[in-house]
Amino acid sequence: DAKTTQPPSMDCAEGRAANLPCNHSTISGNEYVYWYRQIHSQGPQYIIHGLKNNETNEMASLIITEDRKSSTLILPHATLRDTAVYYCIVMRYNQGGKLIFGQGTELSVKP
Amino acid sequence: GAGVSQTPSNKVTEKGKYVELRCDPISGHTALYWYRQSLGQGPEFLIYFQGTGAADDSGLPNDRFFAVRPEGSVSTLKIQRTERGDSAVYLCASSLTVKETQYFGPGTRLLVL
Repeated sequence: DAKTTQPPSMDCAEGRAANLPCNHSTISGNEYVYWYRQIHSQGPQYIIHGLKNNETNEMASLIITEDRKSSTLILPHATLRDTAVYYCIVMRYNQGGKLIFGQGTELSVKP
Repeated sequence: GAGVSQTPSNKVTEKGKYVELRCDPISGHTALYWYRQSLGQGPEFLIYFQGTGAADDSGLPNDRFFAVRPEGSVSTLKIQRTERGDSAVYLCASSLTVKETQYFGPGTRLLVL
């Protein structure tokens, strides 16, 4: 099983880039890395996903190392509303795509 | 467009009672997932449907839990003889197919007294 490891908490100053790391050293070749976040008392929100290439959308950028054993989610200009728990997940396609959540990283964006 | 909706948003019940939690997926999504989230923990997988059939129910904790999706759209999670340990947020997600991005609803907060 491809497990992920994330730091339990991080702080970031408002307006600065937030870089959230994730280790997934046992990832298989056809497994995607997904990032979700959960703001207090809400359902998880999809952010971005990738296989091997770097990805960018309106919310964030995802940088995956060449060996695919780790990745970094980048929020380019963090705001107070980005304060949330961020989950890095390896999607298990051979098990119907069910998501296995870890503890995530609690990101606090401070003014 | 409309996202995943879940009803009720909150449910308080007494130990031993029966409850039903409803999930309305995004229109056209064939895959539907149920997760449970206890306080301070990440969501845990319960069951998923591809169409009308339960493709994987390995996460259901015991036989008091059951879920259906009779017409391949709306799903109901049913809990019999509720226990205090069933108190949690029950989350539903849907995706176009099983290998696509899952989108979550707001959850139902269940409290068993």
